[in-house]
Amino acid sequence: AAGVIQSPRHLIKEKRETATLKCYPIPRHDTVYWYQQGPGQDPQFLISFYEKMQSDKGSIPDRFSAQQFSDYHSELNMSSLELGDSALYFCASSLGLAGSTGELFFGEGSRLTVL
Amino acid sequence: SQQGEEDPQALSIQEGENATMNCSYKTSINNLQWYRQNSGRGLVHLILIRSNEREKHSGRLRVTLDTSKKSSSLLITASRAADTASYFCATDERGNTDKLIFGTGTRLQVFP
Repeated sequence: AAGVIQSPRHLIKEKRETATLKCYPIPRHDTVYWYQQGPGQDPQFLISFYEKMQSDKGSIPDRFSAQQFSDYHSELNMSSLELGDSALYFCASSLGLAGSTGELFFGEGSRLTVL
Repeated sequence: SQQGEEDPQALSIQEGENATMNCSYKTSINNLQWYRQNSGRGLVHLILIRSNEREKHSGRLRVTLDTSKKSSSLLITASRAADTASYFCATDERGNTDKLIFGTGTRLQVFP
């Protein structure tokens, strides 16, 4: 069965550079979530989209932006990268919103290293 | 703010033993879920329990939910070395169904 696809899997950037992460949800899933997980930390919610509209926003820095496109894939754009942005970035998808339908399906993550 | 907190933060047991992990949360919820994460990998959904349920089973997993105490427990019976992973509880927030908030997680190590 198709899973959530994230690219790239690994990314190395210098401080102040820009990075773009991509997420392709499971077919027919209409909701996408982005999470950031630092080393040894729990996943922190960044932002979510439902039917291509932003549905909720968490602890996402102003330097970050995201959108969901007409084919439901999503991109997380990160600018003016800082050392503290080094983390695993997960995308998850679901059919409907988390509280109503429950289970989120996670991708394998994109590991961003900022030097 | 963090919704869920778990204890213990780390747990080491021998194969065949049972592992119990606890989670506390702060707000009213629609459901509570448990996820597993192998090191550096994506999270995998294990089980969901709704706010009107008290106990749920799935294979070797048993989850309880006490909404009056805002707490849940995950019991893994007859553990195996392959159960070694981090386990997270995740909750939504009643009235706000747009996201899941994860707890701090329990790192479980099962020794053969």
